[in-house]
Amino acid sequence: DAKTTQPPSMDCAEGRAANLPCNHSTISGNEYVYWYRQIHSQGPQYIIHGLKNNETNEMASLIITEDRKSSTLILPHATLRDTAVYYCIVAGTASKLTFGTGTRLQVTL
Amino acid sequence: SAVISQKPSRDICQRGTSLTIQCQVDSQVTMMFWYRQQPGQSLTLIATANQGSEATYESGFVIDKFPISRPNLTFSTLTVSNMSPEDSSIYLCSVGRATGGRETQYFGPGTRLLVL
Repeated sequence: DAKTTQPPSMDCAEGRAANLPCNHSTISGNEYVYWYRQIHSQGPQYIIHGLKNNETNEMASLIITEDRKSSTLILPHATLRDTAVYYCIVAGTASKLTFGTGTRLQVTL
Repeated sequence: SAVISQKPSRDICQRGTSLTIQCQVDSQVTMMFWYRQQPGQSLTLIATANQGSEATYESGFVIDKFPISRPNLTFSTLTVSNMSPEDSSIYLCSVGRATGGRETQYFGPGTRLLVL
């Protein structure tokens, strides 16, 4: 599976959009981009996934570049409850999810 | 999504003993997985729990240390055997379930284990 690169940490003001980048320049054609988050001391929570089209659900939006080498997870109106570690994972199958170190998002007042 | 429960939620154990962790899901699933998250680290896949056959272990994990059972499509157990302080971790089970036409993993709340 392709390797991903994420910034180790980011800050975001409450109410503003949080844009979390992920680089996956070696992604192959059949690999999806998955996003999970882990709020302190809890199990990871699935957020969204996509192949090449932009995706939106009730939690977030996923923007994938046309060349698929990078993506951005957007939380449109961040709240304090969105403070968590966010993981970007690239995988050809959901049975092989490899978690990296993720981005620690701190939402502040 | 999926409703997944784990028992116990946390435990403190003595070295040399064993602990069995249970994972229960609200409906039948084909894929169940076990992960370990050591303090301050990310998640590492231990094994895939296969119903009706032996679990498939990842590199660095062996059946003698982490025996797994999968008696049916809604339940699995992971045993941490002959524990040492290095086994202190969060142990998580996950299940595969279709979302948006694609199999996705959903995680349980985890079992926090401290070995003294």
